[in-house]
Parts: sequence; C-alpha cells; structure tokens
Amino acid sequence: DAGVIQSPRHEVTEMGQEVTLRCKPISGHNSLFWYRQTMMRGLELLIYFNNNVPIDDSGMPEDRFSAKMPNASFSTLKIQPSEPRDSAVYFCASSYGLQRERNEQFFGPGTRLTVL
Amino acid sequence: AQSVAQPEDQVNVAEGNPLTVKCTYSVSGNPYLFWYVQYPNRGLQFLLKYITGDNLVKGSYGFEAEFNKSQTSFHLKKPSALVSDSALYFCAVLTSYNTDKLIFGTGTRLQVFP
Repeated sequence: DAGVIQSPRHEVTEMGQEVTLRCKPISGHNSLFWYRQTMMRGLELLIYFNNNVPIDDSGMPEDRFSAKMPNASFSTLKIQPSEPRDSAVYFCASSYGLQRERNEQFFGPGTRLTVL
Repeated sequence: AQSVAQPEDQVNVAEGNPLTVKCTYSVSGNPYLFWYVQYPNRGLQFLLKYITGDNLVKGSYGFEAEFNKSQTSFHLKKPSALVSDSALYFCAVLTSYNTDKLIFGTGTRLQVFP
C-alpha cells in the first residue's frame, strides 16, 4: 500500500491567493483527518470525516477554511484567501474509524505551506 | 474533558541507556491511549496503543508502554536507546468511545546522544 498521499508537498503562495491541498487516504479506510502543525500551536485537528461525511469541524479556524470529501478516495482542504498566519505543515491522516482493534491513524507526509 | 499531558518538552539520554517519555491522561471512563513518533520532515507514525488487557503494551522499534490506571499514566519506554530514536514523540487519547477523534499531547523531543 502506498500509504496516505498528499499533494503538493510544498506550496509557496502570496497572501490573498487560494490554496488547495489534496489527500488520498489508504484504500479501505473510512475516516479521514486534516491536521495543522506549527511550532506555536503544536498539532491541531481541523476537521475529520467518517464515510465521507464531516463529523467534527470545530477545529476549522474560520470561514476561510473549507474541506470536502467527494468520495472515499479523495479529500481537499481549501484556504481562500490565504494569510501569512496560515503558514504551517498540513497533515492528512486516515484510519478504519470506529473499529477499535484497528483505529490507529496513518499520516501522510504533509504539505508545507508558506504564505508570503 | 479528555486530555493528555506530556510534562517534558525534551528528554536527553545516552545511547544504550533506558529511556522513558512520560504521559499522563485525564478521561472519563476507560481510556484508549496511543503513542506516535515524528521524524524530521515526516508525518506521524503509529508506535503502539492501549485499549484493554495487559498493562504492558509492546510496539514498533522495540518500544513499549505501561498503562497505570492508578497514576493515570501511559509512559513510553525502551530498554536501550539508539541514536536513531531521536525524534518527536506524541501521546494521544481518544475523546470518547463513539468517535475516533484523537487529542494529542504537546510532544516530547527525545535526543539520544552517542
């Protein structure tokens, strides 16, 4: 298995531009998570989906952030407009969800976003 | 509210010595606890988890963790540290039984010196 795939790996953009981050979860997993990691705030859960449905988006910072999961094999996190304070590493993770014996999350390599 | 605490920002240990990375938790009900490791410029990797049963859980790369209900702790241990174990370690807890939302600790940086 290729693991969780994220693209792009690096993104440099200017303030005000739209940024779209992409994630392909591990095949068969039914939960998908978006995290943000910064030195100041550590690792934060932004949103998670179960069976393509958003379950908890309480970590989404504000309306500039949106996430979709149109099917079981693809998810996007969009920032519009982007701001310098959005600069961070964004991780996508997936798991088998509520199956307690197999609920560990597998993380992708992350997207390092820099907003100038 | 469910939470985990990692009281040490950094742990330093000499290669070959035993290591311990501490984690305490606060949950209502029985906890589901996890340890993850993050190497530089990589995503987090699952090391081990405690659901129920044996208090000593064995995981990847020779790591193990001991669940202690009376002390509400889940410390990560390894009998003999390697320089390659140097990384950032995260403890995490599931927030409830009917969700798979994890709450992560702030992380502990482990530095193993040759």
